Amino acid sequence: DARVTQTPRHKVTEMGQEVTMRCQPILGHNTVFWYRQTMMQGLELLAYFRNRAPLDDSGMPKDRFSAEMPDATLATLKIQPSEPRDSAVYFCASGGQGVIGELFFGEGSRLTVL
Amino acid sequence: KQEVTQIPAALSVPEGENLVLNCSFTDSAIYNLQWFRQDPGKGLTSLLLIQSSQREQTSGRLNASLDKSSGRSTLYIAASQPGDSATYLCAVSSNSGYALNFGKGTSLLVTP
Repeated sequence: DARVTQTPRHKVTEMGQEVTMRCQPILGHNTVFWYRQTMMQGLELLAYFRNRAPLDDSGMPKDRFSAEMPDATLATLKIQPSEPRDSAVYFCASGGQGVIGELFFGEGSRLTVL
Repeated sequence: KQEVTQIPAALSVPEGENLVLNCSFTDSAIYNLQWFRQDPGKGLTSLLLIQSSQREQTSGRLNASLDKSSGRSTLYIAASQPGDSATYLCAVSSNSGYALNFGKGTSLLVTP
C-alpha cells in the first residue's frame, strides 16, 4: 500500500530550537510539496519540487525555513530558529504518476513551539 | 492570486439526506480541481479530480461538477452517512505544475 510517510508525527520544542521534518514520497512520484495548515490560514503552500529541483518556495519565510530533496526518496523541511508562530501541522504531498495532478498527502507533522 | 472559497464553513445534516458543498474560485484559468476529505488529526484523502476539460466526475455516492466559466464547483453527496462526517476541502491547480490552492473547507457532521 503506497503512501507518503512523514516524521515526526508530533514535535514539541522551545523557541529558538532547530526543527527538521522529513518526508518519504511515494516511490516513483517526481513532484513533492510542503504545505502548512493552521486554523486561521488553512492550507498554505510552502514549497514544491519536481525531479528534486525546487520550483517554487515563495510561500516560505526564507530567513528561517529551508526545504531540500537530498535524494528522490527524501524531502526535508527545516526551521531554524523556530518561533511560536510556526506552530502548525506540516503536510508533505507527492504526485506525478497516474492521473495528472492527483496528489497524495502524508498524515502530517504537528509542530508546537513553546 | 487564485482565491478559493468554500460555503458553508460548517454543515450538520441528519443521516440519509442528500447534500451539496460549494466551492468558488476567482481565476477560471485552472488546470484541474480536486476535492479532498480530511478526518480529524489525519492527512488529506483525494476524493475526486476534475480536469479543466471535464464537467463532472463521479465516485460512488459522490459527484463533483465543474463550471470553469463561472468559477464554481459543487460536491454532491447522496444518502449521507455518519461516516461521511469530516472536513471537505476544495483545491484548484492553476498550471501544470500541480501546485494547489486550497479553500478553508466545509466541516460536515452527519447525525444518526
